[in-house]
This record gives sequence, structure tokens and C-alpha cells, in this order.
Amino acid sequence: SAVISQKPSRDICQRGTSLTIQCQVDSQVTMMFWYRQQPGQSLTLIATANQGSEATYESGFVIDKFPISRPNLTFSTLTVSNMSPEDSSIYLCSVENRGEWTEAFFGQGTRLTVV
Amino acid sequence: QQQVKQSPQSLIVQKGGISIINCAYENTAFDYFPWYQQFPGKGPALLIAIRPDVSEKKEGRFTISFNKSAKQFSLHIMDSQPGDSATYFCAASADRGSTLGRLYFGRGTQLTVWP
Repeated sequence: SAVISQKPSRDICQRGTSLTIQCQVDSQVTMMFWYRQQPGQSLTLIATANQGSEATYESGFVIDKFPISRPNLTFSTLTVSNMSPEDSSIYLCSVENRGEWTEAFFGQGTRLTVV
Repeated sequence: QQQVKQSPQSLIVQKGGISIINCAYENTAFDYFPWYQQFPGKGPALLIAIRPDVSEKKEGRFTISFNKSAKQFSLHIMDSQPGDSATYFCAASADRGSTLGRLYFGRGTQLTVWP
């Protein structure tokens, strides 16, 4: 299993500003995943972050808007840049245990409200 | 395009009743179908999972039924309890290291169990 600590747990931000979300894992992992969870919507994968390389972004998400850092095997940050009310959502960090079964472990999420 | 379609969006069940959540997929490369449970303020956590070589998997009060020909799978919660009130996500992946190895989530079902 993996224990993921994510912070902040929630924040209210002014439009036009940026927020950096931190994700700390209690073990070394190759890949870390960032998801967005909008009310009534699915968990949408934003990007996959590998240590030592550029993050891989899913369709509809760009690095300028969601820059990601992955400085080591236990830590990652996601920045939501130039925020607008449409960015209000829950952002989740995740890692996966890919053995016989793939199990995803999630942080508790960051609830972001942009006003 | 939604890879995994989940219904209903919300479900209200009396205590002791059976909760049923349905999911459907199109991509026949999917070979791993987990269900995640999410309580408010928490990240999703793996509840139960199945591979298509079996038609049913039961763990306590939770059962996955899988219909490979129909490309559908469902979660049944027997003797539903108020503590089961949560959001449930179905997911699918091609779990053998292919490009589809990531998890694709349904939109979620908010289950409320009335005492």
C-alpha cells in the first residue's frame, strides 16, 4: 500500500492567481498521477509525472496551465496557473501499485474554489 | 469520449436493501475492472476488482457481476448500511502494460442509504 499526503486540503483563491498543490508519498514510486474531480464528473487524468522527465499531459490539459514538478521519487507538485472559476474542482494525487492487480492509491484531495 | 459509462448518477436505498450500480465499456482490450469507494473529504479507495475470466466476485456484502459478452459489469451491495453512503466509481484498464494501462473511471454514483 501507499500513504499519500496532499496539501493544502482546501483553498479559496482569487481569479488570476496560481496555486501549487503538494503531494508526498511514503515510498518511492516511478509514476505519480494528477487527477481533477469536478462535481458530478468522473476522475479526469490531468497528467502523469515521471521523475527526471517532463510530465505527460492528457488531451485538454497543457503544461502552461498545469505545470508539474517531480524532483524525486516521493514528491510532486501541481500548479494551477492563472486560475478562473472554471478551475474550481478537487485535485487528487495518485500512485499505482502495478502487480498482479493494479491498485491506485489517492491522496485526500485538494478542494479548490476560485472566486 | 467516455471510456466507461456508469449509472445511475445517484441512488437512494433503504437500510437493508440492495444497491446496484451499473457500468458499461466498449474497448475489448480492457481486462481489469475495479470499483472505488470515496467518502467525503477523502480520496477514492479500492473496494473490489474483477478480471473477465470470472463472471462474479464476492467480498463480504459487495459483489461484482461481470458480463463479458455485453461488456457490462455491476456492483451489488447487499444489506446496504448507512455507512455505505459514499460515491462509487467503476473503472477499467488494460492491465498488461499496454498503452491502455491507465485507469479509466466512470462518472461516479452517489449512494445514500437511509436508516
